[in-house]
Amino acid sequence: EVQLVESGGGLVQPGGSLRLSCAASGFTVRSNYMSWVRQAPGKGLEWISVIYSGGSTDYADSVKGRFTISRDNSKNTLYLQMNSLRDEDTAVYYCAREQYVSGSYSYFDYWGQGTLVTVSS
Amino acid sequence: EIVLTQSPGSLFLSPGEGATLSCRASQSVTSSYLAWYQQKPGQAPRLLIYGASSRATGIPDRFSGSGSGTDFTLTISRLEPEDFAVYYCQQYGSSSYSFGQGTKVEIK
Repeated sequence: EVQLVESGGGLVQPGGSLRLSCAASGFTVRSNYMSWVRQAPGKGLEWISVIYSGGSTDYADSVKGRFTISRDNSKNTLYLQMNSLRDEDTAVYYCAREQYVSGSYSYFDYWGQGTLVTVSS
Repeated sequence: EIVLTQSPGSLFLSPGEGATLSCRASQSVTSSYLAWYQQKPGQAPRLLIYGASSRATGIPDRFSGSGSGTDFTLTISRLEPEDFAVYYCQQYGSSSYSFGQGTKVEIK
């Protein structure tokens, strides 16, 4: 059974750092495209970062230069290192597995339950 | 970056009625890369439709998707009580992903 379990959220001051984890089971993280998607309170979904199976990464402009996505293949875990946090980074952060075949499909088929990050002084 | 605009923002309907949700893109989207999700309060999004018109595993056939280019539609033929939720469209293109702002389907 595929499962994604996020952890690491909490309260942090503006300018601070936090590292989120997403432990995967039932599949291999390194063989898939994996993304982080966030949702501010009462707002919609915002994609923020992806790590491709080959290891390359992409980021939304809103987090580029501040957030870093990575994975630990031995632990089958995805990470999001968040630095220089701002009030507007307050959100529930979801990790999601993507199914992708060039020219055929791209979609997020499994999501974690989310972890709340609150940036406030 | 492709911007997805969903309409209406809210839809007030009764169980048994049909719902038509729109997703319009700021530029042409590859249909293969257009998906729809359902989200209920306190839950993660759930995949409904991928490739603009293919139902995900376990999704009832009252949900259907259509469209191409810049205009896509999610149709719910007969609303069940469990269908009242927020619906998002999402696309992938040029190493970036984007979601629409959502349509909330509420009980009238």
